[in-house]
Amino acid sequence: DQQVKQNSPSLSVQEGRISILNCDYTNSMFDYFLWYKKYPAEGPTFLISISSIKDKNEDGRFTVFLNKSAKHLSLHIVPSQPGDSAVYFCAASAGNNNDMRFGAGTRLTVKP
Amino acid sequence: DGGITQSPKYLFRKEGQNVTLSCEQNLNHDAMYWYRQDPGQGLRLIYYSQIVNDFQKGDIAEGYSVSREKKESFPLTVTSAQKNPTAFYLCASSIGGGGTDTQYFGPGTRLTVL
Repeated sequence: DQQVKQNSPSLSVQEGRISILNCDYTNSMFDYFLWYKKYPAEGPTFLISISSIKDKNEDGRFTVFLNKSAKHLSLHIVPSQPGDSAVYFCAASAGNNNDMRFGAGTRLTVKP
Repeated sequence: DGGITQSPKYLFRKEGQNVTLSCEQNLNHDAMYWYRQDPGQGLRLIYYSQIVNDFQKGDIAEGYSVSREKKESFPLTVTSAQKNPTAFYLCASSIGGGGTDTQYFGPGTRLTVL
């Protein structure tokens, strides 16, 4: 069962515009959420996280929003840059890393 | 430089053969993990280890085995019992096993069974 879902396999945006990547989850026990970024031929790298006690966390051009009632989180990148082109994974955990569940990823392409 | 290394990058195996994937970290992390990635799916946990000489099965451990004799090393053996071993394998480590301990990933090994 996929407890974390990224329903858009791909997203294409113009440089300078906002990129919005979405993620839905089903397990109400999840209390910590993360976004990872993956370039080809490299492992995923941690991008940003949010605890369930918050509804927003910002780090430079990256902001993650959490809507617990809807079991939905999103990653906003603004302004988008060509170097942001990568696969983005959403992940959620319920207290331990061995509980962590990952989405299937969304491939973001930022066009110059 | 600190990090996680996986070798080899690409691996081909004949059906019926066991194969071992290497994972080494010099981050002094206690916890290590093996994940499998298949097209259209998220990463799935195969095995994890919270500390040396201890490891636990993840969601899809059947057909795999691991060892954790050293803190730095967590090799994964894909046995002939694994029915569908062709996949991309990722190793990760974190300072501890808590859900807020960031996992750091290696570059991955793509295994193809011929």
